[in-house]
Amino acid sequence: QVQLVQSGAEVKKPGASVKVSCKASGYTFTGYYMHWVRQAPGQGLEWMGWINPNSGGTNYAQKFQGRVTMTRDTSISTAYMELSRLRSDDTAVYYCARVLPGVRGVLWGMDVWGQGTTVTVSS
Amino acid sequence: SYVLTQPPSVSVAPGQTARLTCGGNNIGIKSVHWYQQKPGQAPVLVVYDDSDRPSGIPERFSGSKSGNTATLTISRVEAGDEADYYCQVWDSRSDHYVFGTGTKVTVL
Repeated sequence: QVQLVQSGAEVKKPGASVKVSCKASGYTFTGYYMHWVRQAPGQGLEWMGWINPNSGGTNYAQKFQGRVTMTRDTSISTAYMELSRLRSDDTAVYYCARVLPGVRGVLWGMDVWGQGTTVTVSS
Repeated sequence: SYVLTQPPSVSVAPGQTARLTCGGNNIGIKSVHWYQQKPGQAPVLVVYDDSDRPSGIPERFSGSKSGNTATLTISRVEAGDEADYYCQVWDSRSDHYVFGTGTKVTVL
């Protein structure tokens, strides 16, 4: 079955970086963009950006420009999201979600999500 | 940046109908998706492209749009429908995806 499995919880100090992985299975990895969405404790969903696993092209939300890097390894069907210069307000659950590319993605939404990775930033 | 506004909470008795709204400028020309999120779980897509349902989503969930407001309707509400619901669109101006502020549905 189609599945996105994310890496485990992380605890980081302010100023450090974190890299979260998202392993896809059950479908053609390069056939869907991978989006990243985060949710701070008690807050709503916040879109961070996407990566095109086929080309490696990315599109980041303005808020995270300069701090986020999304990459992929097609040989193991895994996408990565790295966030640097962590602050306490980066404490959140980070999700990956797949979306069809182009117009189809706009029309069909995020149809499969990972289970989430909790990142805690604390001194 | 593009903003989607949802009421913070909606309360509904079992068996009744819940109507959740999502307001945004020119939302009428955008494709609206709705996600259900239960506590401690990842979001689940329940309606896409305004009014279509993914396979496995009950017919009790339906979407519609009128003017600058999209609506998710949950008919014959059940206790298991208690969750947070988020609308989402793609903003063509910024090429960014945007989520609404979310509505917490409480089943009385």
